[in-house]
Amino acid sequence: DTGVSQDPRHKITKRGQNVTFRCDPISEHNRLYWYRQTLGQGPEFLTYFQNEAQLEKSRLLSDRFSAERPKGSFSTLEIQRTEQGDSAMYLCASSLVTGIAVNEQFFGPGTRLTVL
Amino acid sequence: AQKVTQAQTEISVVEKEDVTLDCVYETRDTTYYLFWYKQPPSGELVFLIRRNSFDEQNEISGRYSWNFQKSTSSFNFTITASQVVDSAVYFCALSVFSGNTPLVFGKGTRLSVIA
Repeated sequence: DTGVSQDPRHKITKRGQNVTFRCDPISEHNRLYWYRQTLGQGPEFLTYFQNEAQLEKSRLLSDRFSAERPKGSFSTLEIQRTEQGDSAMYLCASSLVTGIAVNEQFFGPGTRLTVL
Repeated sequence: AQKVTQAQTEISVVEKEDVTLDCVYETRDTTYYLFWYKQPPSGELVFLIRRNSFDEQNEISGRYSWNFQKSTSSFNFTITASQVVDSAVYFCALSVFSGNTPLVFGKGTRLSVIA
């Protein structure tokens, strides 16, 4: 059983550079979520998808952030013109939503971003 | 707006002691779901339990038990006879409406179990 995978696991970049992260959800899951976690804090919601449709974006998601899920499978999160404040762990989660059933979100190992 | 408060930042116990992690939530919605996740040193969040707002029954799973009280907006987590492997950061989270909406997490409680 393959869980949620994220790539890369670690990324070090210089301020001003663009970075892109990838998330592969559990194969039959139709919901995909992105969260950001900074040191000593709980994860904070960024955005989520139902299949390929982006349903909601957090106010945390500035114009420099963009996310896609083009075919309703994997998703990418791009950060343009990175800033030191973007340094964090970026977590991806997926879940299967069918009707009114509530199912837990399964989390990936995260991508740790360090902006120098 | 929704909010989850975990007032205990860090707890340290000796192995075999019982420990309770507190969680207080705020929401105006009448339908909501509460969750607990564990984040071990490896970093990956692991789902522990889900509870809906209409079910106030306490739950026990092995050494873990959860106490949900709507009157005090609390969803506390107790580990009985703690073990070193329980050392982790524990997060309480809230999801409103269907429960499939994005999670609102507390800041977490770091539990250290000393042998």
